[in-house]
Amino acid sequence: EAGVAQSPRYKIIEKRQSVAFWCNPISGHATLYWYQQILGQGPKLLIQFQNNGVVDDSQLPKDRFSAERLKGVDSTLKIQPAKLEDSAVYLCASSLGRDRSRYGYTFGSGTRLTVV
Amino acid sequence: AQTVTQSQPEMSVQEAETVTLSCTYDTSESDYYLFWYKQPPSRQMILVIRQEAYKQQNATENRFSVNFQKAAKSFSLKISDSQLGDAAMYFCAYRSAERESGAGSYQLTFGKGTKLSVIP
Repeated sequence: EAGVAQSPRYKIIEKRQSVAFWCNPISGHATLYWYQQILGQGPKLLIQFQNNGVVDDSQLPKDRFSAERLKGVDSTLKIQPAKLEDSAVYLCASSLGRDRSRYGYTFGSGTRLTVV
Repeated sequence: AQTVTQSQPEMSVQEAETVTLSCTYDTSESDYYLFWYKQPPSRQMILVIRQEAYKQQNATENRFSVNFQKAAKSFSLKISDSQLGDAAMYFCAYRSAERESGAGSYQLTFGKGTKLSVIP
C-alpha cells in the first residue's frame, strides 16, 4: 500500500510569513495526526482528526496555527504568521482508528520548516 | 499526563554486538501500549516493536526485543547482532488504550530519543 504522503519536503520562510503543509494519509485511514518535532526532541501532537472532525487540538497554538481535513481525507496545516520557534519537522501520521487490533500508525517523511 | 523519559541521549555499539536502550514512563493508567520507533535521516518514523501492557510476555521482532517491567514502568529495547543499518534515532512512545466509549485521543507521547551509532 502507498504510504503517507507529505509535501513540501523542505520549506524556508522569513518570520511573519505564512506557510502551509499538505498530507495525504493512507487510503481508508480514519484517523490523522499532525506532530511537531523540534530539533533534539521527540514529536509532540498538534492535532488529531477522526474522519473530518477534530478529536484533540489542545496543544495547537490556535493564534497562529490552523488545520483542516476536508472530506475526511487530505489535510493541510497552516502557520500564519510564523515565528522563529516554529522551525521544526512537521510529521503527519495516519491510522485505521479505534480497532484494538489495528493501533499501528504510519508516518510520513515530514516537512522540515526553517524560519529565518 | 503521561511522560516518557529516555536517559541516554547517545549510544554506540560495535557491529554484530548487542545494545540496550533504556526507557521509563510515568502513568496512572493500567492499560496502555508502548512502542519503539526508529527515525533514520530520512525523518520517517518506523515502528520497530510494540508491547501491550496487559501482556506479560515481552515482545520480540527478529533481532529486536524488549524488557517490559510494568511495576517499575520500564521498557527497554535490546538490539542483537547490530547492523550498520540500525544507526538512527530511537524513540520510546506511550499510548493510552481505547476507552470503552471509543472516544478520546490516541496520541503518542514520545521521549526525547536516543541516537544510536553503529561502529564497523
